[in-house]
Amino acid sequence: GAVVSQHPSWVICKSGTSVKIECRSLDFQATTMFWYRQFPKQSLMLMATSNEGSKATYEQGVEKDKFLINHASLTLSTLTVTSAHPEDSSFYICSARETSGTDTQYFGPGTRLTVL
Amino acid sequence: AQSVAQPEDQVNVAEGNPLTVKCTYSVSGNPYLFWYVQYPNRGLQFLLKYITGDNLVKGSYGFEAEFNKSQTSFHLKKPSALVSDSALYFCAVRDTGNTPLVFGKGTRLSVIA
Repeated sequence: GAVVSQHPSWVICKSGTSVKIECRSLDFQATTMFWYRQFPKQSLMLMATSNEGSKATYEQGVEKDKFLINHASLTLSTLTVTSAHPEDSSFYICSARETSGTDTQYFGPGTRLTVL
Repeated sequence: AQSVAQPEDQVNVAEGNPLTVKCTYSVSGNPYLFWYVQYPNRGLQFLLKYITGDNLVKGSYGFEAEFNKSQTSFHLKKPSALVSDSALYFCAVRDTGNTPLVFGKGTRLSVIA
């Protein structure tokens, strides 16, 4: 199946710093990418939907100024957690949907963010 | 609004026995249904999907799922469970528009040797 990569796989940062997470579709083009957050032993919570070349659509309760999303190309989306705080510590997972019409969303391996 | 229900938090099954992980859904239009598996500290791996056509869908690792429109269900099944199947399984649904997947809360499958 299609491959989605995320970088970094884990990151530890100090409170107040910003962290950028990259999501790439390696062997397909993704018009739409999604960012999810997962708390321990819980399901995935959709944060935002990102369409290439346009502004991301954020879910209710997600601060767009804190979680900056850029989708500059059909294979790359980035999530920047600005001024991170310990409550932002979580597992962040990106997903990309093929543009070929098969409608399958493929997921990255996730990024574990720990804010000290 | 779309929603997915996975009524079981945990399913335990002996190795070699058949397994079923339940999922029911609600969408306004025709559903696109998916199953994903997640291993510890990993992202989600796609198992199978139903878009249209045959109600019985076969996927990766010997898994299959049956779409039942009247019961709005899409249960995941495997004839003979393996210990390596132990993981967290998510059912997801979206409608035919350009909408993101909505996930169930997940079901933890434990296969005991």
